[in-house]
Amino acid sequence: GQSLEQPSEVTAVEGAIVQINCTYQTSGFYGLSWYQQHDGGAPTFLSYNALDGLEETGRFSSFLSRSDSYGYLLLQELQMKDSASYFCAVNTNAGKSTFGDGTTLTVKP
Amino acid sequence: EAGVAQSPRYKIIEKRQSVAFWCNPISGHATLYWYQQILGQGPKLLIQFQNNGVVDDSQLPKDRFSAERLKGVDSTLKIQPAKLEDSAVYLCASSPPSQGPQFGPGTRLTVT
Repeated sequence: GQSLEQPSEVTAVEGAIVQINCTYQTSGFYGLSWYQQHDGGAPTFLSYNALDGLEETGRFSSFLSRSDSYGYLLLQELQMKDSASYFCAVNTNAGKSTFGDGTTLTVKP
Repeated sequence: EAGVAQSPRYKIIEKRQSVAFWCNPISGHATLYWYQQILGQGPKLLIQFQNNGVVDDSQLPKDRFSAERLKGVDSTLKIQPAKLEDSAVYLCASSPPSQGPQFGPGTRLTVT
């Protein structure tokens, strides 16, 4: 089966940089995805890593190390609207996506 | 591109009643997922379809939950009979090959 670990809560101030880590165990690993979910909303796709290294999309970047079964989401220039839950999800070569329990990010002024 | 559509958005039922949810995926997406998300947890996969065939239903409580995907497009998820612990948000998602799921708005189910 699959398992993922990520911190349950992270707090940071506006303008700061925050890193949310994710470690995983799975067979047939294909890639790691990140999703953002605001209270009462559905998860929205942020980024995807299939290869080792850093993917940058605006203020958000995501990193993957396949040999370490580890990835992280980096959020720069934090804004109040970034307060949300962030989920990592492993994608397998069978097309299955398994989600972690999420990290609640609180951005303070 | 229109997103994943779901209905209803909210549903309140009593335990032991039945309920059905409907999903229309993004046009052209062959893979359709149903996830259950309990408050404070990540989405848990209930069932995954590839076109109209089931790829994975290992976590679907088959004694009370059923799902079908008609003609490889729309899908319905049914719970019969409902239990209190079924209170959750039910998320439908779809994806093209080799990409992760894109979610609909979800149906918030409350079982009393």
